[in-house]
Amino acid sequence: QQQVKQSPQSLIVQKGGISIINCAYENTAFDYFPWYQQFPGKGPALLIAIRPDVSEKKEGRFTISFNKSAKQFSLHIMDSQPGDSATYFCAPGSGGYQKVTFGTGTKLQVIP
Amino acid sequence: DAGVTQSPTHLIKTRGQQVTLRCSPKSGHDTVSWYQQALGQGPQFIFQYYEEEERQRGNFPDRFSGHQFPNYSSELNVNALLLGDSALYLCASSLGQSLGQPQHFGDGTRLSIL
Repeated sequence: QQQVKQSPQSLIVQKGGISIINCAYENTAFDYFPWYQQFPGKGPALLIAIRPDVSEKKEGRFTISFNKSAKQFSLHIMDSQPGDSATYFCAPGSGGYQKVTFGTGTKLQVIP
Repeated sequence: DAGVTQSPTHLIKTRGQQVTLRCSPKSGHDTVSWYQQALGQGPQFIFQYYEEEERQRGNFPDRFSGHQFPNYSSELNVNALLLGDSALYLCASSLGQSLGQPQHFGDGTRLSIL
């Protein structure tokens, strides 16, 4: 099974700070790069996604940066808020179908 | 507008038993995928159903099977339960199979095997 590794495993950020989560993958066939947010007791929810034809995408406080040569993409959360405290998963996919591969997860805690 | 609903929310079974989990997709969605999420791990893709047929499958044994009904709802069946099958089972729905169509997840069924 293709590996998808996230770092860090956990992250503590002060309110108003920037949270950065990284995702490294091996499968060069991946052509869809989303980030999901999961709160305890809930299913994951799509946060933001990017295609490999662009290097960056911004939606509100959330930005994806994509580095094709390094086979990495990252999630930046600006002005982090306590409500952002959740587990974040990258889940790249390919082949036009939704057989995505979830990463190992990053637990983010934003402290007041 | 109801989102993805799964039932039951919790279930306890013993080794060797069989279990059926159910999923109703978000209104307007026709594609259902199932995932297994072990504690502290990311979800793992089990399979996807579209037009009542299994279209994609992950690395799961044949003990895991499913079905999609004409109203797009779906069932996940697991036979000969093992302790390692204890997990949160998530259902996700979308409109079509394309990666560009966002998947909406339910809150899952927590399955515990004793």
